[in-house]
Amino acid sequence: DTAVSQTPKYLVTQMGNDKSIKCEQNLGHDTMYWYKQDSKKFLKIMFSYNNKELIINETVPNRFSPKSPDKAHLNLHINSLELGDSAVYFCASSQGAGAEQYFGPGTRLTVT
Amino acid sequence: SQELEQSPQSLIVQEGKNLTINCTSSKTLYGLYWYKQKYGEGLIFLMMLQKGGEEKSHEKITAKLDEKKQQSSLHITASQPSHAGIYLCGADPRGSTLGRLYFGRGTQLTVWP
Repeated sequence: DTAVSQTPKYLVTQMGNDKSIKCEQNLGHDTMYWYKQDSKKFLKIMFSYNNKELIINETVPNRFSPKSPDKAHLNLHINSLELGDSAVYFCASSQGAGAEQYFGPGTRLTVT
Repeated sequence: SQELEQSPQSLIVQEGKNLTINCTSSKTLYGLYWYKQKYGEGLIFLMMLQKGGEEKSHEKITAKLDEKKQQSSLHITASQPSHAGIYLCGADPRGSTLGRLYFGRGTQLTVWP
């Protein structure tokens, strides 16, 4: 039983393209997150949604747009991809903000 | 923003040895979370500490939060190869209801047989 799943697992694309990453959780949680882990393994929060509403929007370029169609899904769309966007993107969920977060396996994005 | 310093950055121990990883903050920690990450995988939740002086254990891993709530330690007793991975501490900077976790840069643990 996969708790938090992400697709795709790997994504290789060229600069300037637009791409999306999808996340789904089957834990019944009401809060979902996107994190970015850079090449030095530094993990940084990007966005958080609670009951489909955006509650955290860290300093992220507006080329990144999260969308939550329902409580179980949080997708990340990236426009005009740049080399610096190469990283591993993690989705996470929790039952209420402040509770422990459960992470997906990550999506490794490589921009060439 | 919350700055978390983890030490050491990497640790290589022989199987069976005990070890400690530290996580230090310049600000009060309202919620301290320990996670483990294996290469190429997501983060696995280990423990959460909220009260000063709190201590929690799971199997051979014990986590403590000091009384001042500015430092946490993760102690592994009789390490095994299965303990290898990257250990990350994360903190909620204000005890807010937003779930905004800031993470340290991680400690890479290698356990050799």
